[in-house]
Amino acid sequence: AQRVTQPEKLLSVFKGAPVELKCNYSYSGSPELFWYVQYSRQRLQLLLRHISRESIKGFTADLNKGETSFHLKKPFAQEEDSAMYYCALSGSLIQGAQKLVFGQGTRLTINP
Amino acid sequence: ETGVTQSPTHLIKTRGQQVTLRCSSQSGHNTVSWYQQALGQGPQFIFQYYREEENGRGNFPPRFSGLQFPNYSSELNVNALELDDSALYLCASSTDRDRGSGGNTIYFGEGSWLTVV
Repeated sequence: AQRVTQPEKLLSVFKGAPVELKCNYSYSGSPELFWYVQYSRQRLQLLLRHISRESIKGFTADLNKGETSFHLKKPFAQEEDSAMYYCALSGSLIQGAQKLVFGQGTRLTINP
Repeated sequence: ETGVTQSPTHLIKTRGQQVTLRCSSQSGHNTVSWYQQALGQGPQFIFQYYREEENGRGNFPPRFSGLQFPNYSSELNVNALELDDSALYLCASSTDRDRGSGGNTIYFGEGSWLTVV
């Protein structure tokens, strides 16, 4: 079964503090994992993907296949990071199609 | 701007009615997927269309159907609406390569809020 679990629905930290949003997955094949973000009154947009191994807006995420995790981290939170964050994996369908399987999301609030 | 527009933004329907939601993708985006996002949940995959044919389907009944047109627009149709169909419906498009896998970017529209009463 393809499943993504985000154990925290709400996460609140102070500005300047480190942030870690947890994501665990279940997938029998070799997963492709993503973090999507939705800022207030904006559409869902890609934040980063594990194959790129890049840092976007100071966020990084490392795929840990042993722990089946893809936690999102930022060393120093900023107020503009307040948003809804979704972890997702790309799961295979027949005929080569791909679908995204999303977690329930974590609402991150950065307090001044 | 991602170039993915959806209409209408909000609508209210009565149980048992039918609804059509529309999506207009960027030129060249010949793969479109639809997702249902219930309140407090992550988006759930409904189905995907590639070059005007259904290319994969999630765990949704046949009363959820779709169409994709040559002009990069698409529709989601839901028949015999139920109260549990109340949700945000998202359209997502991508280019031909890998049909939306990690190799390319998937662009989401702002969604259509459907309320069934």
